[in-house]
Amino acid sequence: GDSVTQTEGPVTLSEGTSLTVNCSYETKQYPTLFWYVQYPGEGPQLLFKVPKANEKGSNRGFEATYNKEATSFHLQKASVQESDSAVYYCALRTGNTGKLIFGLGTTLQVQP
Amino acid sequence: EAAVTQSPRNKVTVTGGNVTLSCRQTNSHNYMYWYRQDTGHGLRLIHYSYGAGNLQIGDVPDGYKATRTTQEDFFLLLELASPSQTSLYFCASSEGLGNYAEQFFGPGTRLTVL
Repeated sequence: GDSVTQTEGPVTLSEGTSLTVNCSYETKQYPTLFWYVQYPGEGPQLLFKVPKANEKGSNRGFEATYNKEATSFHLQKASVQESDSAVYYCALRTGNTGKLIFGLGTTLQVQP
Repeated sequence: EAAVTQSPRNKVTVTGGNVTLSCRQTNSHNYMYWYRQDTGHGLRLIHYSYGAGNLQIGDVPDGYKATRTTQEDFFLLLELASPSQTSLYFCASSEGLGNYAEQFFGPGTRLTVL
């Protein structure tokens, strides 16, 4: 079946350093790929979506490029801030049900 | 901005108890979802619905029922709660099934089954 695998945390970084969260997927169907972010005490919210192969999605300084050959879409940010501390989920949607398959989440803690 | 609300925000019950979690969305979305979130498992889909009266089985449905009474309201029912159902539950809604349809999540309900 369809699956998503992402970097397991927690990840602790200092402000101003770079972030990479790895995410790969398996599916036999055409994928639509998302990154969600969850702040403490809140539900997940969409960070951005990456709809097409070799295209880049981005928001709030985060970006990811969907590599169709490697079946991956790693999340990156050049310079993290303390306010980026959150849990990041990659998610996969296939077929026509609207269902999302989430990775296990990566907890990011940014220290000032 | 889509608005999804959940009630109660916290609930404690005993094993064998009967619990109903409520979700309401006010943006006329047709699609609604119930997830549970557990450490080591991420977010897992329990049930979902395409509209009033419709119910679809998700990936972890055992022990749960759901009912969609109106376009706005989606309920998750635990008729014989067990400690394994202690979790953080999220409801979500989306406008459609297309590739660009974003899911909007509520704030969650924390359920503890003693």
